[in-house]
Amino acid sequence: GAVVSQHPSRVICKSGTSVKIECRSLDFQATTMFWYRQFPKQSLMLMATSNEGSKATYEQGVEKDKFLINHASLTLSTLTVTSAHPEDSSFYICSARGDQQGPYGYTFGSGTRLTVV
Amino acid sequence: AQKITQTQPGMFVQEKEAVTLDCTYDTSDQSYGLFWYKQPSSGEMIFLIYQGSYDEQNATEGRYSLNFQKARKSANLVISASQLGDSAMYFCAMREGRANSGYALNFGKGTSLLVTP
Repeated sequence: GAVVSQHPSRVICKSGTSVKIECRSLDFQATTMFWYRQFPKQSLMLMATSNEGSKATYEQGVEKDKFLINHASLTLSTLTVTSAHPEDSSFYICSARGDQQGPYGYTFGSGTRLTVV
Repeated sequence: AQKITQTQPGMFVQEKEAVTLDCTYDTSDQSYGLFWYKQPSSGEMIFLIYQGSYDEQNATEGRYSLNFQKARKSANLVISASQLGDSAMYFCAMREGRANSGYALNFGKGTSLLVTP
């Protein structure tokens, strides 16, 4: 089945630094990538949608200069949290779709737990 | 406005019993898809079952079945013969539009299920 590899699984960084999270589709071409954020015991909140080769579309309230999304190839999308602060500590998870996948073909990465200290 | 509503923050069920997790949705689209995911404490999103809006029969996948009542806009998940390993968060999600629309999934707030011996 389709697999999305997400790294790192956990990261601790100092306040003010930047962190990059990668999602790679291993066996399919991810034409669309979705990035979600999840606070403890809460729902997944969509941050942005990116299509390969295009700029990401951010949801209302998500700072695009803070959360930089790059989807330069059909197998790799990255989320960079710039100048991270403790309130950015959260669980980030990507979900990829490819043209060849069926109607329920949303493949999730395993998530990244970010802690900003 | 909330598109997916899960009214049960937490549920208990005894091992080997069946349990129903509620989900109602709101959409004006004729074509949409409904999903259930399981999220254990590790954070990964495990796809359980899918129901398309035009599917006439309720979806079933092993011990999981989806009770789809289109007129009532409900898509309840039924887990039969509960196992201890079923203890996790369960999320109902909806994709609006056609299957290849490229739209993201909207998630409900989730239900925490605890299976007791």
